[in-house]
Amino acid sequence: LAKTTQPISMDSYEGQEVNITCSHNNIATNDYITWYQQFPSQGPRFIIQGYKTKVTNEVASLFIPADRKSSTLSLPRVSLSDTAVYYCLVGDGYSGAGSYQLTFGKGTKLSVIP
Amino acid sequence: AAGVIQSPRHLIKEKRETATLKCYPIPRHDTVYWYQQGPGQDPQFLISFYEKMQSDKGSIPDRFSAQQFSDYHSELNMSSLELGDSALYFCASSLRDRGWAGELFFGEGSRLTVL
Repeated sequence: LAKTTQPISMDSYEGQEVNITCSHNNIATNDYITWYQQFPSQGPRFIIQGYKTKVTNEVASLFIPADRKSSTLSLPRVSLSDTAVYYCLVGDGYSGAGSYQLTFGKGTKLSVIP
Repeated sequence: AAGVIQSPRHLIKEKRETATLKCYPIPRHDTVYWYQQGPGQDPQFLISFYEKMQSDKGSIPDRFSAQQFSDYHSELNMSSLELGDSALYFCASSLRDRGWAGELFFGEGSRLTVL
C-alpha cells in the first residue's frame, strides 16, 4: 500500500514561490502522482498529476525525480487565496475493474501571510 | 462546465435514523467514488462504482450501502446512524482511464450531522 508523507503545515508570504515535497518510497511502477487542493468545507480540487520528470500547467509545476520516491509541488507567487490543504496522492494500484482507489494521506496546510 | 452535484448539502438526523445522499456525476463520467471526511480529518475512501457495478470498497461500515443507477447517479444509504457518522460526505466522478491515473472531480459535499 503506497503511503505518502508530507509536512503538516507550511507558512509563506504572498508573492513567494512555495514548494511542498511529498515522500512516497513505496510507489508502484504503474502509479501516478496526483496533487489536490482543498479549502475548508469544500471538495478536493485536482491540481496536477505526473508520472516522472516535470509537469507544468497554468496553476502549478510538479517535479518528480528519476527514482519517483518523492515529488515536489511548486506554486509560483502564492496569494492569500492559495491558503488551503494540499494533498499528495499515489495510487493503491489499478483494481482492474475500471476504478482506482485514491487514498488521501495527511495533507499539508499551507498558510499564506499578507 | 458541469460539475458533480450532491444533495442534500446539509442533513440533520437523530441517532439510529437513516439517511440517503445522492450524487450526480459529470455527464459521460462512468465512475463514481464516495469519501467521508470527519471534522479535522482527511478524506477516507468508502466505495466506488464503475458502469453501475461496485468496483472498490474501502472503509465503508456495514451499516452503509451504495449503488449506481442506470443514469449513473449514485446514492449512499446510511442506516442506524451513530454520532461518529457526522461528517462531510464527498462524491467524485471520473472517466475510467483518467480515474485510474488519479484525476477525480469532487462535488461540494453533503454535511451530515447526527444528534
